[in-house]
Amino acid sequence: GQNIDQPTEMTATEGAIVQINCTYQTSGFNGLFWYQQHAGEAPTFLSYNVLDGLEEKGRFSSFLSRSKGYSYLLLKELQMKDSASYLCAVIGSTLGRLYFGRGTQLTVWP
Amino acid sequence: GAGVSQSPSNKVTEKGKDVELRCDPISGHTALYWYRQSLGQGLEFLIYFQGNSAPDKSGLPSDRFSAERTGGSVSTLTIQRTQQEDSAVYLCASSSYEQGLNSPLHFGNGTRLTVT
Repeated sequence: GQNIDQPTEMTATEGAIVQINCTYQTSGFNGLFWYQQHAGEAPTFLSYNVLDGLEEKGRFSSFLSRSKGYSYLLLKELQMKDSASYLCAVIGSTLGRLYFGRGTQLTVWP
Repeated sequence: GAGVSQSPSNKVTEKGKDVELRCDPISGHTALYWYRQSLGQGLEFLIYFQGNSAPDKSGLPSDRFSAERTGGSVSTLTIQRTQQEDSAVYLCASSSYEQGLNSPLHFGNGTRLTVT
């Protein structure tokens, strides 16, 4: 089966840095995505990793270790608008099928 | 339009009735996905289309669920004899599969289905 784990909730203060972890166990691996979902809205794409290492994109960075089945999303200089659910998703051996974790609800306090 | 369009945005139906949900993907996107999101749960994969064919239907929860796609564009998800446990937000997404595996999914705003 496919298993993707991430913390249910996290809190942080404005201006801080937060790291959201994701561990996965899937049959095969063809890439890992991070999505952001604000309440009542559709998920939007943040990042994609298929090779080990860190991908940086502005205030957001995503890291992958395939040998450990581990990824994290790093958010810097947090803003109130970053309060949202962050979804980790993996493409396993079946191309086209993306498995999602339950999401991490991040609350940013002033 | 520029994005994935889903209709209706909200649907309330009585238990036992059939419902049909519609998805209009981004023009030119060959891959289309249906997911279901229940309160506090992750996105549950239902079905994936590449063109008009569905290589993977294994996520459909029961034979009451079916989906089709015509003309490589619009897709409909049909739920027959709805049950209360079918209540959820049904999300559709499309991607340009030709761009490769890292082509992100673009989601619609979903249809919120409530079965009373």
